Amino acid sequence: DVKVTQSSRYLVKRTGEKVFLECVQDMDHENMFWYRQDPGLGLRLIYFSYDVKMKEKGDIPEGYSVSREKKERFSLILESASTNQTSMYLCASSLAGAAKNIQYFGAGTRLSVL
Amino acid sequence: EDQVTQSPEALRLQEGESSSLNCSYTVSGLRGLFWYRQDPGKGPEFLFTLYSAGEEKEKERLKATLTKKESFLHITAPKPEDSATYLCAVQASVTPQSTTDSWGKLQFGAGTQVVVTP
Repeated sequence: DVKVTQSSRYLVKRTGEKVFLECVQDMDHENMFWYRQDPGLGLRLIYFSYDVKMKEKGDIPEGYSVSREKKERFSLILESASTNQTSMYLCASSLAGAAKNIQYFGAGTRLSVL
Repeated sequence: EDQVTQSPEALRLQEGESSSLNCSYTVSGLRGLFWYRQDPGKGPEFLFTLYSAGEEKEKERLKATLTKKESFLHITAPKPEDSATYLCAVQASVTPQSTTDSWGKLQFGAGTQVVVTP
């Protein structure tokens, strides 16, 4: 079974704090993704990575950065958390190649910024 | 711009009452359409991928179908454990100029929340 593990289920942070969300996958997947999920808006892609140290912006990258130093680990960084970043954050991974683009998701991190 | 619209937003069913969820999409060339199930407080769980119009896939009480403009997820004789939010996502065909062909961006709909009561 594919396993995508997010380090925290719930986080409460204060405005202006630097926040790290960690994600680890155990299936040797090349691609990893960070989404945020808000009611009525669906999942929106923040950043993705298709290889170690490689990253691409998604649809809503502003206020976020990412780090991928090892193939299995993909970190999302909120440089200075703001209240509008309160959301559910989901990490996903997939194999490279058009026929294998099924994305497998972690359980999510619910972040509250006060 | 690729768009995915799911309807209805919410659906309440009696146990055994079959129904269908709709996912309509506009995309410049469809590579694949994905259905996921999401339970409260959890991440989405993959259900099906459909690649071409006319294709159908089944899993227990769920059946997904695909046309050129929409997909349906049919729930036959649902049980309370089928209660969840069902998400639809499309993957567009990439242009030859794209340098990120292998990673497969998904465009998600907002989901349909299904509640099945005993």
